[in-house]
Amino acid sequence: GNSVTQMEGPVTLSEEAFLTINCTYTATGYPSLFWYVQYPGEGLQLLLKATKADDKGSNKGFEATYRKETTSFHLEKGSVQVSDSAVYFCALRDSNSGYALNFGKGTSLLVTP
Amino acid sequence: DTAVSQTPKYLVTQMGNDKSIKCEQNLGHDTMYWYKQDSKKFLKIMFSYNNKELIINETVPNRFSPKSPDKAHLNLHINSLELGDSAVYFCASSHQREPKNIQYFGAGTRLSVL
Repeated sequence: GNSVTQMEGPVTLSEEAFLTINCTYTATGYPSLFWYVQYPGEGLQLLLKATKADDKGSNKGFEATYRKETTSFHLEKGSVQVSDSAVYFCALRDSNSGYALNFGKGTSLLVTP
Repeated sequence: DTAVSQTPKYLVTQMGNDKSIKCEQNLGHDTMYWYKQDSKKFLKIMFSYNNKELIINETVPNRFSPKSPDKAHLNLHINSLELGDSAVYFCASSHQREPKNIQYFGAGTRLSVL
């Protein structure tokens, strides 16, 4: 079946450091890919998405490129801020479950001043 | 205005009770979902529903049942609650078709079964 694997956390970075959170997927066909962010005590918010190979999603300084050849959708940001501290989820849209989201296990990010 | 709203935000109850969580969306979406987030933050789909089709994750016990009185609401009923049901439950909604199929999430309901 379809699945998403993302790097284990927690990840701790100093402010202004470079961030990479790895995400790879297994799927039949070419599903849409997403990054969602969950701030403490809140629901999930869409951070960015990509719907086909070589698409780059970007938002709030975060970027991720849909790489079909490596089945990856790694999240990057050039300079993190304390306010970026949250849990980040990589997900794919799964046609096998009514087009619900199939999530990775989440990566907790803590950015220190 | 809140796009996807769930009530209650917190729910504390005893084992064996029956409880419901309500979800409403004002986005005009045709599809709604329930997800369960466990203590390790792992999110898993429970149900996907639009006015034509209900898709149930096969791992969900039949004590859980979604009920949709209309397109804007998808409530979650849970019978005979067990300790393992303690989790955060998220409702979400979207259009079914690309490119408008971004899912919007509620703030979650934290269920604690004692």
